[in-house]
Amino acid sequence: DAGVTQSPTHLIKTRGQHVTLRCSPISGHKSVSWYQQVLGQGPQFIFQYYEKEERGRGNFPDRFSARQFPNYSSELNVNALLLGDSALYLCASSWGETTNEKLFFGSGTQLSVL
Amino acid sequence: DAKTTQPPSMDCAEGRAANLPCNHSTISGNEYVYWYRQIHSQGPQYIIHGLKNNETNEMASLIITEDRKSSTLILPHATLRDTAVYYCIVRVDRSGNTPLVFGKGTRLSVIA
Repeated sequence: DAGVTQSPTHLIKTRGQHVTLRCSPISGHKSVSWYQQVLGQGPQFIFQYYEKEERGRGNFPDRFSARQFPNYSSELNVNALLLGDSALYLCASSWGETTNEKLFFGSGTQLSVL
Repeated sequence: DAKTTQPPSMDCAEGRAANLPCNHSTISGNEYVYWYRQIHSQGPQYIIHGLKNNETNEMASLIITEDRKSSTLILPHATLRDTAVYYCIVRVDRSGNTPLVFGKGTRLSVIA
């Protein structure tokens, strides 16, 4: 079975631009979470979606938004890119939203903002 | 902020047991201890989790002290493929959103 897939794998943007990152969860998984990982740090939580509804939001500015589609895939959008948005963006999926759900992560999208 | 403390790095000889410590002295009664690892250029991978009792699966063993203030992840026979950053995370047991809060983890280097 396919794991969590993310696209694109790498992306280069310039300051002020907008970016859309995509994630397809494992088949049957209804929850998708997004994390940002800056070089040398652990991943930081951005959003969680379950059954197309936002269930949680981390400490990120409003320039970051996301949505989940009826097929449970998800998009992360970042507006007005800053140099500091350069990071690995990770998507994780799980079957449900309860605590003991194991998260399955994709390999991420490496975003470079110049 | 992460509620755990881990050494920044450790080395382990190939074939030997790797013992990765984690301090979580402020853990609450309803918080589980989770371990994930991140191999270079990949997303984090779930290893194991536990509440009070020691746990074992095909990947590792988790030993939690009786007072639950610390734990140790044991990889019984480390291989070069176990070289990764290992994250110890405490996570509350409740329904709804409970995101993983990652610290900087321990960088384990398995040496041939």
